[in-house]
Amino acid sequence: DTEVTQTPKHLVMGMTNKKSLKCEQHMGHRAMYWYKQKAKKPPELMFVYSYEKLSINESVPSRFSPECPNSSLLNLHLHALQPEDSALYLCASSQAFGQGTRSYNEQFFGPGTRLTVL
Amino acid sequence: GENVEQHPSTLSVQEGDSAVIKCTYSDSASNYFPWYKQELGKRPQLIIDIRSNVGEKKDQRIAVTLNKTAKHFSLHITETQPEDSAVYFCAATPRGFSGGYNKLIFGAGTRLAVHP
Repeated sequence: DTEVTQTPKHLVMGMTNKKSLKCEQHMGHRAMYWYKQKAKKPPELMFVYSYEKLSINESVPSRFSPECPNSSLLNLHLHALQPEDSALYLCASSQAFGQGTRSYNEQFFGPGTRLTVL
Repeated sequence: GENVEQHPSTLSVQEGDSAVIKCTYSDSASNYFPWYKQELGKRPQLIIDIRSNVGEKKDQRIAVTLNKTAKHFSLHITETQPEDSAVYFCAATPRGFSGGYNKLIFGAGTRLAVHP
């Protein structure tokens, strides 16, 4: 299985709602990433987990809360979002340093969750 | 920190022509340079990548060249086809990123349109 899956595909939520985005991979990758992508812009890194530990938080507001419950799953919990948070949220995974002989650099992206905040 | 500039922002070619997209990076320690293709409404997909110890890499109609001295790398697509129409992103990753993962710094993207 060489795919990263994400659910849901689309999500509409109000500013007072709490929702979660889910990402799953079964490639044995130990590095997982959350990106935010606005229209006509490149992906913007939000968080990186390496071996299930949070390694990077790119100064993301606390209304976004990541979680990595195991090596295959990555969640993004959303609470009290703003309309400007509407975007495509992409998950990605890669091998982490120390895994096998192949490069750990290649990142595989999921299809994304298109989030609309009303 | 690393900064990646990408040009042009839009590129329009006729089917069968070649297309070239160029990126420059600021951190001379960067050692990995992938290119992603993103079709409308789809995920970014890696199409080719190159490491700092290689000057050129080719895969069928796609090639990437790297000039470490000038700190730039380019994507070359030959014999373009309408299905090549997409947004292309270059990226760079700093060397020695010690956290066990790699951080991709993306260029702003190039919207390529191939006209039949």
